[in-house]
Amino acid sequence: DIQLTQSPSFLSASVGDRVTITCRASQGISSFLAWYQQKPGKAPKLLIYGASTLQSGVPSRFSGSGSGTDFTLTISSLQPEDFATYYCQQLNSYPRTFGQGTKLEI
Amino acid sequence: QVHLVQSRAEVKKPGASVKISCKSSGYIFTDFAVHWVRQAPGQRLEWMGWITSGNGNGESSQNFQDRVIITRDTSATTDYVELSSLTSEDTAVYYCARGYSSGWLEFDYWGQGTLVTVSS
Repeated sequence: DIQLTQSPSFLSASVGDRVTITCRASQGISSFLAWYQQKPGKAPKLLIYGASTLQSGVPSRFSGSGSGTDFTLTISSLQPEDFATYYCQQLNSYPRTFGQGTKLEI
Repeated sequence: QVHLVQSRAEVKKPGASVKISCKSSGYIFTDFAVHWVRQAPGQRLEWMGWITSGNGNGESSQNFQDRVIITRDTSATTDYVELSSLTSEDTAVYYCARGYSSGWLEFDYWGQGTLVTVSS
């Protein structure tokens, strides 16, 4: 199975900050990586797919980059509604796997 | 609008089985796969398996050691996941998610989740 490791696992930030979350795959996955946002008691929401393509309706302050084994999710200017947990997911092979999550706190 | 609506919460005893449904609407049902993902309390998301677009073949993760069966009723636009030999470690929220069958294969719409509690 492909392992995904996110860093950091916890991140404290303030409204207006620029934050970056990284995701490292245990083997190359081309650009078959997605990022999701999850709020307590809710289903995950797709933010980014294909490593860098913004899902329709997602604010442009979210962006993704990377390919192969190293990926990043950047939020350019944090808004109050962005405080949540973020997961990366690889879609290169089965079983699909997720990172352990990054909890973004105020 | 695309919607995936799951069945309600369940409480099961150890050793029992549970079957969860996921009814899809708002899109051509057979054009997309549906995946099942679970999340135990405080844990990461865990992929359980999927049912393919088109002919609707179900495949499950080997990590569940053949305890998972995924099926589809095309006429009802509904998918099902059945998990057997339940233990307390199966207590989790179970999600279905629509998945693309081409391109980057992302999961773009998710059900609301079904809480399964396993307790004696």
